Amino acid sequence: DVKVTQSSRYLVKRTGEKVFLECVQDMDHENMFWYRQDPGLGLRLIYFSYDVKMKEKGDIPEGYSVSREKKERFSLILESASTNQTSMYLCASRVAGGQYEQYFGPGTRLTVT
Amino acid sequence: ELKVEQNPLFLSMQEGKNYTIYCNYSTTSDRLYWYRQDPGKSLESLFVLLSNGAVKQEGRLMASLDTKARLSTLHITAAVHDLSATYFCAVDKDFGNEKLTFGTGTRLTIIP
Repeated sequence: DVKVTQSSRYLVKRTGEKVFLECVQDMDHENMFWYRQDPGLGLRLIYFSYDVKMKEKGDIPEGYSVSREKKERFSLILESASTNQTSMYLCASRVAGGQYEQYFGPGTRLTVT
Repeated sequence: ELKVEQNPLFLSMQEGKNYTIYCNYSTTSDRLYWYRQDPGKSLESLFVLLSNGAVKQEGRLMASLDTKARLSTLHITAAVHDLSATYFCAVDKDFGNEKLTFGTGTRLTIIP
């Protein structure tokens, strides 16, 4: 079974802190994604990576950066957390080439106070 | 820009009844995915539909794809409480584009 894990289920940070969210997948997938999910807004793509050290902006990249130094690990970084970044963050991975579903991690509920 | 619309957004139905969730999308695609999300949890893959006329069934859920109409349906037969969840459809924009576009979700509540 594909397994996507995220470093924390719940996280509380203060405004201005630098926040790291880690995601690891164990199925050698080329593609990895970070989404945020907010009530009424659905899933919004923050960043996407299609290979080590390669990244592409999604729909809402402002205030976020990402790092992919190893194929299995994709990190989301909030450089200076703000209260409007309080959200559920979902990581996903997928085999390259289409025709395959994305597999999601359990999610990290981040609260910025 | 690819748009994926689901309806209804909210659905409350009694146990034992049948109903259908609709997923319309705005561009040609023959790859569509259905996901389930329980409250406070992540998304779980339900169905992968890869061609026009594709039909997949799992228990009381059946999904189909009509690429000419740009429409997928998720049919629920004889609903039970355990099916209460939010259901998302997602579409591949085109070959070579690795990103999925998700619908806004349908929150389904099954009432005993």
